[in-house]
Amino acid sequence: QVQLVESGGGVVQPGGSLRLSCAASGFTFSSYAVHWVRQAPGKGLEWVAVISYDATNKYYADSVKGRFTISRDNSKNTLFLQVNSLRGDDTAVYYCARESLGMVYFDSWGQGTLVTVTS
Amino acid sequence: QSALTQPASVSGSPGQSIAISCTGTSSDVGAYNYVSWYQRHPGKAPKVMIYDVSNRPSGVSDRFSGSKSGNTASLTISGLQADDEADYYCSSYTTNNTRVFGGGTKVTVL
Repeated sequence: QVQLVESGGGVVQPGGSLRLSCAASGFTFSSYAVHWVRQAPGKGLEWVAVISYDATNKYYADSVKGRFTISRDNSKNTLFLQVNSLRGDDTAVYYCARESLGMVYFDSWGQGTLVTVTS
Repeated sequence: QSALTQPASVSGSPGQSIAISCTGTSSDVGAYNYVSWYQRHPGKAPKVMIYDVSNRPSGVSDRFSGSKSGNTASLTISGLQADDEADYYCSSYTTNNTRVFGGGTKVTVL
């Protein structure tokens, strides 16, 4: 079955960096666009970034543009999010989500990895 | 990229119908028929209930329906059941090739 497993979260100081990973299995990863979505404590879902199936197209939310970089390694079925210049309002659970093939909605989600930015 | 506007909470009694609105702009909800709705129970992953404004994935009850008028989309739940109690989020594709979510609506079954 489809599985998305995030890792790499942790506690980091303001200005710090982390690299989040999302390991995919149970489907042909290289055929799908995948997204990062986050949820801050007590808040709703916030879309972060998307990467096309072949990594040629990448788009970001204004709130993370220039600080976060989305990438993928199709040979390892893994999605990444490099998060730099972290701020307190980046504290959130970060989820990877698969976009349904040829469609515009999320059909599978991971369980999330928590990033806490605190001094 | 402002979040889509949803009511914070909606409630109804079992068997009743409720509607959740999702208001965006001409750059997102109004621009395309790419609005989707997600149900999220505490501690669980979001589940798509509606995609492309009004389409239901297989396995989703026909008690869930979606519509759109201008810059506002709506999710209607008819025959409200206890298990419908959850958070609901709308999402839209945008003219910048990004996505945007609504702030979420907590549905309470009285």
